[in-house]
Amino acid sequence: DQQVKQNSPSLSVQEGRISILNCDYTNSMFDYFLWYKKYPAEGPTFLISISSIKDKNEDGRFTVFLNKSAKHLSLHIVPSQPGDSAVYFCAASSDSWGKLQFGAGTQVVVTP
Amino acid sequence: GAGVSQSPRYKVAKRGQDVALRCDPISGHVSLFWYQQALGQGPEFLTYFQNEAQLDKSGLPSDRFFAERPEGSVSTLKIQRTQQEDSAVYLCASREQPGQGYGYTFGSGTRLTVV
Repeated sequence: DQQVKQNSPSLSVQEGRISILNCDYTNSMFDYFLWYKKYPAEGPTFLISISSIKDKNEDGRFTVFLNKSAKHLSLHIVPSQPGDSAVYFCAASSDSWGKLQFGAGTQVVVTP
Repeated sequence: GAGVSQSPRYKVAKRGQDVALRCDPISGHVSLFWYQQALGQGPEFLTYFQNEAQLDKSGLPSDRFFAERPEGSVSTLKIQRTQQEDSAVYLCASREQPGQGYGYTFGSGTRLTVV
């Protein structure tokens, strides 16, 4: 069963605009959420995370929002840059050593 | 080294062949994970080591899969009698300490193709 879902397989956005990536989860035991970015032929790279006790975390151009009641989180990238073109994975954890469950990913393409 | 190193980068195996995939984590990292990523999917958890102890192997898909980390550093994932459904990218990740405070560092993966 897919406990972390990214329902948009792809997203195209113009350079300078905002990219919004969405993620839904079903397991209420998840208490830590992360976003990873992946370029072709490379491993995923950690981007930003949020604990379930918060509803927002910001790091430069990247902001993650968590809505626990809706079991939904989103990643905002503003402004979007060509180097942001990659696959973005949402991930969630519920155990003490950080085992992650990943969504299927969203391919972001930033056009000039 | 500076990052997590995996070898080989690519492996083609004939169905029924045994393969061994190697992971060199960041020096001193206690936690080590193996994930399997099928085409078009997100990584799926296989197994977790804390030093040399394999604390969770719930994600290993069958008894053909075996992982070890005998000295608490390098880890090997072994797949016996490979099948076509084993074709995937196998990712290794390490973390300085167990916990959730931040993400862990992934290697570039080994792409296994079973023909």
